[in-house]
Amino acid sequence: GQQVMQIPQYQHVQEGEDFTTYCNSSTTLSNIQWYKQRPGGHPVFLIQLVKSGEVKKQKRLTFQFGEAKKNSSLHITATQTTDVGTYFCAGPGGGNKLTFGTGTQLKVEL
Amino acid sequence: NAGVTQTPKFQVLKTGQSMTLQCAQDMNHEYMSWYRQDPGMGLRLIHYSVGAGITDQGEVPNGYNVSRSTTEDFPLRLLSAAPSQTSVYFCASSLDRGLYEQYFGPGTRLTVT
Repeated sequence: GQQVMQIPQYQHVQEGEDFTTYCNSSTTLSNIQWYKQRPGGHPVFLIQLVKSGEVKKQKRLTFQFGEAKKNSSLHITATQTTDVGTYFCAGPGGGNKLTFGTGTQLKVEL
Repeated sequence: NAGVTQTPKFQVLKTGQSMTLQCAQDMNHEYMSWYRQDPGMGLRLIHYSVGAGITDQGEVPNGYNVSRSTTEDFPLRLLSAAPSQTSVYFCASSLDRGLYEQYFGPGTRLTVT
């Protein structure tokens, strides 16, 4: 079945440093979604990418969808303590399933 | 709108006990799903439903049952709890499976001793 892997699994950064997480699917995706989960909270939708090579920005967050639609990335510029949490990508799997990646846990130190 | 609600927030069970985790949404979403979250494992799909009366298995369905008698409700039943089912359970709803954003409930933290 479809697998969605994310790297790295953990990332510690100093506040102000940049952060990137990568998402790789074993199959071509029709779209990819990104979610953020704060510690102790539930996943919250951030964005959806649909087109090959698409790039979208939300303030300090930049999302990219690969040309082959099998990978994606999330880049945060100048991290802040409010960015702490786990970031997940998710893509449509076989049938009616949505497959989530393994997630990248971000910790930001002052 | 309350969005997606889940009860209880916390639950402790003994091995062999059964219980139902409740999930309800007031957004008239057709698609609902249950995930479990374990450290380092991400979110794994247990069961999902594309509409009232229709359910299907996800990635890790063993030990769990679901039903969808109404659009609003999607309960998850643990038949005979095992320590391996200790986890955080999230219910989610969406207009469609992978084409629209998933709205998650606050989660149920379950411990099986």
